[in-house]
Amino acid sequence: AQTVTQSQPEMSVQEAETVTLSCTYDTSESDYYLFWYKQPPSRQMILVIRQEAYKQQNATENRFSVNFQKAAKSFSLKISDSQLGDAAMYFCAYRSAYYQLIWGAGTKLIIKP
Amino acid sequence: DTGVSQDPRHKITKRGQNVTFRCDPISEHNRLYWYRQTLGQGPEFLTYFQNEAQLEKSRLLSDRFSAERPKGSFSTLEIQRTEQGDSAMYLCASSFWGNYRGYTFGSGTRLTVV
Repeated sequence: AQTVTQSQPEMSVQEAETVTLSCTYDTSESDYYLFWYKQPPSRQMILVIRQEAYKQQNATENRFSVNFQKAAKSFSLKISDSQLGDAAMYFCAYRSAYYQLIWGAGTKLIIKP
Repeated sequence: DTGVSQDPRHKITKRGQNVTFRCDPISEHNRLYWYRQTLGQGPEFLTYFQNEAQLEKSRLLSDRFSAERPKGSFSTLEIQRTEQGDSAMYLCASSFWGNYRGYTFGSGTRLTVV
């Protein structure tokens, strides 16, 4: 069965600095999708960025980018120029062939002004 | 279309009572998912529909849980004989099969069983 592990329960970063959130996963599938979602306090889950496993190029969305290492089964999220609005729980998720999402436990990101 | 809507936002119920939640997905999305999230954890998959067909149910979904999606539009999740362990956030998400951009989530229904 697939599993997703986020080893950092909490991370903090100074406003305008860069932070990297870690995610590893385990799967025997060769074709899959990986996602980072953001969940602000008491607000809905928002898609930050996605990565198709068959693409070697790392996905980028404005200040958000990923470092996808397929062989190492690693999928980290880099947030550049951190802003106060980036404060949230960040979840790494794996989409299996059966379309359900398998989630990590989350990393709480704190932005220090 | 303003996104995925869930109703109610909050529900407090006494143990043993039945509760029903509703999810209205994005209208052109044919897939609908239910997840459960407890405090400090990532969501856990419960079940999903493609159109009106329920294609998969998690082992987490006991016999007290039932979900429907009549006519492939909105969906309901019913919990019978609620237990304190059912207290959680129930999230609904929708997507369009074939579009792998991700899932759009609703704001969730927070259930508290007292």
